Amino acid sequence: GQQVMQIPQYQHVQEGEDFTTYCNSSTTLSNIQWYKQRPGGHPVFLIQLVKSGEVKKQKRLTFQFGEAKKNSSLHITATQTTDVGTYFCAGYPGNQFYFGTGTSLTVIP
Amino acid sequence: DAGITQSPRHKVTETGTPVTLRCHQTENHRYMYWYRQDPGHGLRLIHYSYGVKDTDKGEVSDGYSVSRSKTEDFLLTLESATSSQTSVYFCAISESAGGTNEKLFFGSGTQLSVL
Repeated sequence: GQQVMQIPQYQHVQEGEDFTTYCNSSTTLSNIQWYKQRPGGHPVFLIQLVKSGEVKKQKRLTFQFGEAKKNSSLHITATQTTDVGTYFCAGYPGNQFYFGTGTSLTVIP
Repeated sequence: DAGITQSPRHKVTETGTPVTLRCHQTENHRYMYWYRQDPGHGLRLIHYSYGVKDTDKGEVSDGYSVSRSKTEDFLLTLESATSSQTSVYFCAISESAGGTNEKLFFGSGTQLSVL
């Protein structure tokens, strides 16, 4: 069954507001990846986190990997309409990647 | 985008009929995967391949079989389609496996409807 939980399922924000999505795993992960899927599109790799407590930034996006390597978050500062889409985490406990259920982000202009 | 082509892009079929989805890659990547995407479930691994004629099951493999006779082609077969197999199917490839370097590149997907 599902090993990686992701919340919230949906998020509507005004353009310019911040956005955060969270992933939690029942088991310790070797690493975690994040993907973005635009409406009608396919998932596209964003980033990978490997180390405990790791923080990585890509422009307005900040990714964190928890100290216990069981949780992760993606934070977007000052959202833009181009950020619209579904964000998935994918955790790797050691055998295969388990995708979270995704957070669908809607940005209201 | 990585050179991954899925066919067909859309398919409507009836319960009990066999269906084969094709994934073709031009990247010469060793690893290929089939995922299904359903609302509320994210992406779930059906089967994967780590080389020609080398395949293994994922977490939702029941009712599906795969074959890989060439590096570039990975076929997913539903022997007798059921309505529960209505979904969007994504093929993915990666250059390496083992987690750390296993960056997945996805195809455009196949929307399958089983009536």
